Amino acid sequence: GDSVTQMEGPVTLSEEAFLTINCTYTATGYPSLFWYVQYPGEGLQLLLKATKADDKGSNKGFEATYRKETTSFHLEKGSVQVSDSAVYFCALTNPNFGNEKLTFGTGTRLTIIP
Amino acid sequence: DSGVTQTPKHLITATGQRVTLRCSPRSGDLSVYWYQQSLDQGLQFLIQYYNGEERAKGNILERFSAQQFPDLHSELNLSSLELGDSALYFCASGLAGNEQYFGPGTRLTVT
Repeated sequence: GDSVTQMEGPVTLSEEAFLTINCTYTATGYPSLFWYVQYPGEGLQLLLKATKADDKGSNKGFEATYRKETTSFHLEKGSVQVSDSAVYFCALTNPNFGNEKLTFGTGTRLTIIP
Repeated sequence: DSGVTQTPKHLITATGQRVTLRCSPRSGDLSVYWYQQSLDQGLQFLIQYYNGEERAKGNILERFSAQQFPDLHSELNLSSLELGDSALYFCASGLAGNEQYFGPGTRLTVT
């Protein structure tokens, strides 16, 4: 079945550092790919998405590019802030193969130090 | 604010009891999804309803059931509760096959 693998956390960075969180997937065909963020005590918020190969999703300074050849969707941000501290989840759906549910990675906890 | 509401926010109950979690989707969304988040299992899909009908089932225990009503709100019923059922339960809604928007969750503690 479909699956998502995320880099293990936790990740600790200093403010203004460059961020990369790796995500790779296994799925039939062309799934839709997502990054969700969960702040402490809150639900999941959609951060960005990409629905076809070479699409770049972006939001709030975060970016991720759908790479079919490497089955990856790595999350990047050029300069992180303390307010970016949260847990980040990579996820996919595969609606063209009858799979509308979100399949999540294990999550990566990010802490930004001032 | 995602537009998805869930009640209650917290629930504490004893083993063997039954509880009902409620979810109201975003206006216009026909699909409702239920997920369980626990430390050992991560985020797991439980069940999906689309316009009142069950559409997909995931790792949902037989002790758990759900339904979606004509006004599109959904309820997740958990019965014969065990300690291991303690978790965060999220509802999400969306247009089928597209991104999903999550509610704030219900934290269930079984004692």
